[in-house]
Amino acid sequence: DAGITQSPRHKVTETGTPVTLRCHQTENHRYMYWYRQDPGHGLRLIHYSYGVKDTDKGEVSDGYSVSRSKTEDFLLTLESATSSQTSVYFCAISVAPWGPSSGRPYEQYFGPGTRLTVT
Amino acid sequence: DQQVKQNSPSLSVQEGRISILNCDYTNSMFDYFLWYKKYPAEGPTFLISISSIKDKNEDGRFTVFLNKSAKHLSLHIVPSQPGDSAVYFCAASVIEWSYSGAGSYQLTFGKGTKLSVIP
Repeated sequence: DAGITQSPRHKVTETGTPVTLRCHQTENHRYMYWYRQDPGHGLRLIHYSYGVKDTDKGEVSDGYSVSRSKTEDFLLTLESATSSQTSVYFCAISVAPWGPSSGRPYEQYFGPGTRLTVT
Repeated sequence: DQQVKQNSPSLSVQEGRISILNCDYTNSMFDYFLWYKKYPAEGPTFLISISSIKDKNEDGRFTVFLNKSAKHLSLHIVPSQPGDSAVYFCAASVIEWSYSGAGSYQLTFGKGTKLSVIP
């Protein structure tokens, strides 16, 4: 258990509204990631963070922004939700080879997911 | 352009027999490979991994084989159990080195194979 929680777990929203998903970790891991999972596409990286205020884009970043003001929280924002953003969103962490970690360095560990429906 | 391919969307196996899940990749820069298992309504869980300097890694009932010349890896589950029924994702990464040591920044996933183990 990598101590990852996601909130909310389920959300239904209307097209054009802003939505923020939260990922929270309790073990001070440096790297955090946001993925979306869609049928026929597997998991695709949206954005990732390699430290407080340090973020970068992934494969499918259009329409999404992220922020990381504290080590433990990584926020994913849909500024104006669209129906194509209906998906299951997963947060993940990567254990660095140093620091208060108990796992191996190269694997990523996932949260339970947030199911987002945009109507 | 799909860099990690799982060409079988589904696989059915009798309990006690061997399950073989296959994965092909196109990017010769990938040097670390992972398998994840995912149950419905849960996040993916790390199963087993292999570095490109090896051709086999075992962990209990699970063995991953890597054939670099063919750009192919496979996951063998022996013996298969009903609890193994899940979606299995293959993932690949380029290990990037930083001042703090090696850390995997991004994983590229296949689309997944749904394994059904029949009692």
